[in-house]
Amino acid sequence: DARVTQTPRHKVTEMGQEVTMRCQPILGHNTVFWYRQTMMQGLELLAYFRNRAPLDDSGMPKDRFSAEMPDATLATLKIQPSEPRDSAVYFCASGLSTTSTDTQYFGPGTRLTVL
Amino acid sequence: GNSVTQMEGPVTLSEEAFLTINCTYTATGYPSLFWYVQYPGEGLQLLLKATKADDKGSNKGFEATYRKETTSFHLEKGSVQVSDSAVYFCALISGGYNKLIFGAGTRLAVHP
Repeated sequence: DARVTQTPRHKVTEMGQEVTMRCQPILGHNTVFWYRQTMMQGLELLAYFRNRAPLDDSGMPKDRFSAEMPDATLATLKIQPSEPRDSAVYFCASGLSTTSTDTQYFGPGTRLTVL
Repeated sequence: GNSVTQMEGPVTLSEEAFLTINCTYTATGYPSLFWYVQYPGEGLQLLLKATKADDKGSNKGFEATYRKETTSFHLEKGSVQVSDSAVYFCALISGGYNKLIFGAGTRLAVHP
């Protein structure tokens, strides 16, 4: 049963610290998405990769957030420095971009708390 | 711009009751429409989808029909179970880009 995996599942850190979240997409998928979920804003798209190339990161605060795909089996989302307002659940999703209706498969999320 | 509006929750029902969660959308072009479900502590799972007007998506007893004339995609189930308790998200993709636009989500609580 292929699944998207994310690590860590929970992270508590102090303001100013660097946070790195990792995602392993489903083998063979060529698109990766990072979403953030908060009570106030709901689900927001932060970044979108296709074939490891960033296609859209307009939803991401550029000064502190960065997203990369060093290889096809790993996507990372980094926050440096972290702030309390970054507290949220961060989801990674992967899919096959053959059409615009392709299903996105979500990971279980990383719950980040910044004190 | 593109957007999705869902009825506010929580929706509280007794087991075997009929469920409707309303969803309307605004989009340019001809969007594809989705319902995702999020169980406690988990990520989102695709529940059903419809890609063109009058299409009906269905899965696990849930149904939704793509209504272009009313720009709606309401989710229905004839008889809910306690295990259906979750948050339900309506979403769309518009244009040649796999960017999902989500509604705010509707929490469903089903009691025995």
